[in-house]
Amino acid sequence: GAVVSQHPSRVICKSGTSVKIECRSLDFQATTMFWYRQFPKQSLMLMATSNEGSKATYEQGVEKDKFLINHASLTLSTLTVTSAHPEDSSFYICSGGGGAASGYTFGSGTRLTVV
Amino acid sequence: EDQVTQSPEALRLQEGESSSLNCSYTVSGLRGLFWYRQDPGKGPEFLFTLYSAGEEKEKERLKATLTKKESFLHITAPKPEDSATYLCAVERGQAGTALIFGKGTTLSVSS
Repeated sequence: GAVVSQHPSRVICKSGTSVKIECRSLDFQATTMFWYRQFPKQSLMLMATSNEGSKATYEQGVEKDKFLINHASLTLSTLTVTSAHPEDSSFYICSGGGGAASGYTFGSGTRLTVV
Repeated sequence: EDQVTQSPEALRLQEGESSSLNCSYTVSGLRGLFWYRQDPGKGPEFLFTLYSAGEEKEKERLKATLTKKESFLHITAPKPEDSATYLCAVERGQAGTALIFGKGTTLSVSS
């Protein structure tokens, strides 16, 4: 089945710095990947849809200039949190590949802590 | 607006004590309802996809069922290793697009 590799699993950064999270499709070509955010005891919320070779589509309320998404190849999508602040601390998860029948595949997630 | 609501928020069971988790949904045309398992600090792990009312799927001690308004995840004789958060989700918009998730039910099974 489809495998998605996400790195890093944990990152701590200082307020005002930027952090990049990578999401790689290991055994399939991902023309589309999804980025979610999950706060404690909350559901996964879609942040943006990443499209290979074109601009990402952001959900309402998500700042596109703060959460930069790059999907330059069929196997790599990246999310960069720019000028991070403590309120950006969350669990970020990417998803891609698979399908309805076999289930959409998720990465292992990145725990971001901004201090 | 598409919406997914799960209950209870948390459930504590003794090993062997069967129970059910509920997922009620409101969508404009269901394309698929998904159940995932999520362990702490991990991404969701796929369990089942259900497409139409009356459909049932089983995997080990888990059985998922679907009606026109809700889905149930039945856990038979659970073991401590079944402890996790169980997430319900529906497809948003066209097939192959993102999922809308409920908040999940955190299951704790003690021996």
